[in-house]
Amino acid sequence: GNSVTQMEGPVTLSEEAFLTINCTYTATGYPSLFWYVQYPGEGLQLLLKATKADDKGSNKGFEATYRKETTSFHLEKGSVQVSDSAVYFCALRDQAGTALIFGKGTTLSVSS
Amino acid sequence: DAGVTQSPTHLIKTRGQQVTLRCSPKSGHDTVSWYQQALGQGPQFIFQYYEEEERQRGNFPDRFSGHQFPNYSSELNVNALLLGDSALYLCASSSTGQGTYEQYFGPGTRLTVT
Repeated sequence: GNSVTQMEGPVTLSEEAFLTINCTYTATGYPSLFWYVQYPGEGLQLLLKATKADDKGSNKGFEATYRKETTSFHLEKGSVQVSDSAVYFCALRDQAGTALIFGKGTTLSVSS
Repeated sequence: DAGVTQSPTHLIKTRGQQVTLRCSPKSGHDTVSWYQQALGQGPQFIFQYYEEEERQRGNFPDRFSGHQFPNYSSELNVNALLLGDSALYLCASSSTGQGTYEQYFGPGTRLTVT
């Protein structure tokens, strides 16, 4: 079945450090891929998305490229801020379904 | 433009009781999905409603049921509550009619079963 695997957290960084959160997926066909962010006490917010191979999603300095050959969608940011501290979820939606399938989430903590 | 709203914010119930959670979709959206997020885990898909019918269902028992109203709002009902049902319940809305499918989430309802 379809699944998403994220790197285990927590990830602890200093302000202005480079961020990578790894995400790989298992799915048939060509799923759409997403990164969501959840701030403490809040629901999920869509951060970025990619709907086909080699697409790059980007938003607020975050980027992720849909790599079908490695079934990956790693999240990157060149310079993190304290305000980026949150839980990040990688997710996919397969071609046939409408449900989102999420990874377990990666907690990011950025200190000044 | 109001986003997805959910009520109540928090709820405490006893084992064996029944609970109803409510969701109003984002303006212009016609589809509502429900997710369960246990502590420290990613959200798990419960089911999705479109045109007042359950369109897709995840791996959840029949104790979990739902409804969608003509104004597109939705309810999630859970019967015979178990301790393991304690979680954050998230509602997400999207637009099937416009073919966008992008899901916008509400803030969630925190259910505690004692």
